[in-house]
Amino acid sequence: DTGVSQNPRHKITKRGQNVTFRCDPISEHNRLYWYRQTLGQGPEFLTYFQNEAQLEKSRLLSDRFSAERPKGSFSTLEIQRTEQGDSAMYLCASSSQGANSPLHFGNGTRLTVT
Amino acid sequence: GQQLNQSPQSMFIQEGEDVSMNCTSSSIFNTWLWYKQDPGEGPVLLIALYKAGELTSNGRLTAQFGITRKDSFLNISASIPSDVGIYFCAGAESPSSGSARQLTFGSGTQLTVLP
Repeated sequence: DTGVSQNPRHKITKRGQNVTFRCDPISEHNRLYWYRQTLGQGPEFLTYFQNEAQLEKSRLLSDRFSAERPKGSFSTLEIQRTEQGDSAMYLCASSSQGANSPLHFGNGTRLTVT
Repeated sequence: GQQLNQSPQSMFIQEGEDVSMNCTSSSIFNTWLWYKQDPGEGPVLLIALYKAGELTSNGRLTAQFGITRKDSFLNISASIPSDVGIYFCAGAESPSSGSARQLTFGSGTQLTVLP
């Protein structure tokens, strides 16, 4: 078990372009989360999957953002028509279904929109 | 919405000193977690607290879940250089089966340990 894996680690894109990030959770975890973290702040919740079902979405997740987890394993987060304000660290986390199962985070994808 | 106030924002301490940081919430949480984040990496779980009044240790780290459910503190004893990093508290609402564990994070405490 290598923990939560995120790719790419860094992404630089021009404003208006689309980007996609991938997250591979810990293999036995059926819950997967996306968070966003800006400089000097703690992570903020974006969305959550249980298996392949997207069960919750934050109001931070605008229409330009879409997340999928088609087979209940890896997940992708796509941002369309990127804006400079999208620049942040995008963190993925996973947990098992137990009531007290803590979240384990990956090392994130650092997005810079120029 | 829920907000967490974490203090202090930053600390500079001498190696060997003890450290204390805390978080307070405007509403009740049923789970408190403490994470450490190093530059360019994701948060790593240090301690999880699930019961009001609970006091839990992990090596030199000790954390407590406040009895009001609106606060938690983290102590680090005998600090060493590798303790440098950003420490985040995080709270979650009651984790009934099937509900999401949306964590609300504090804004972090930047710890610097001077040799």
